[in-house]
Amino acid sequence: KAGVTQTPRYLIKTRGQQVTLSCSPISGHRSVSWYQQTPGQGLQFLFEYFSETQRNKGNFPGRFSGRQFSNSRSEMNVSTLELGDSALYLCASSLRPSSYEQYFGPGTRLTVT
Amino acid sequence: DQQVKQNSPSLSVQEGRISILNCDYTNSMFDYFLWYKKYPAEGPTFLISISSIKDKNEDGRFTVFLNKSAKHLSLHIVPSQPGDSAVYFCAASDGGSNYKLTFGKGTLLTVNP
Repeated sequence: KAGVTQTPRYLIKTRGQQVTLSCSPISGHRSVSWYQQTPGQGLQFLFEYFSETQRNKGNFPGRFSGRQFSNSRSEMNVSTLELGDSALYLCASSLRPSSYEQYFGPGTRLTVT
Repeated sequence: DQQVKQNSPSLSVQEGRISILNCDYTNSMFDYFLWYKKYPAEGPTFLISISSIKDKNEDGRFTVFLNKSAKHLSLHIVPSQPGDSAVYFCAASDGGSNYKLTFGKGTLLTVNP
């Protein structure tokens, strides 16, 4: 069974731009969560989607948004990029919503210059 | 305010010896705890978990101990192997209607041959 895939793997953007990251969960998994990993803050929860609905949201500004499609694929969008948004963005999928045991993708490394 | 703390950014151990990774938490509502392992360029992989109703959970070479009164948990790896070299994240959740995971910043374990 294929794992969680994320595209692109690497991305360089400039301040003020917006970016869209994509995540395809494991086949059959309907829940997708997004995390931001930075050296200073570690792994921080962004949001969780299940059945195209956002179920949980972390403490991030409204510039961070996401959505989920009927095939469970998910995208997250960051608008008006700031230098501090440079991070590894990880997507995780699980069979059920609010599941503790999640399967992570390799991440998208975003660099904002 | 960091609710899950891994105070040792790194740990170095000889092959065959015991590795002990520590994690402290401040939120008394946390009732489920997990450990993830992360290799470079890969997403975190679920390793082992423990519910607050237990004080120990074992899976092969990995054992997690929970001390609720001290708000402390630890991961023991015995015997340590070079392939165990990775970043280990401790995570916690308060269950209820909000299952989002709160992660520590991680500990880099290096197992020397």
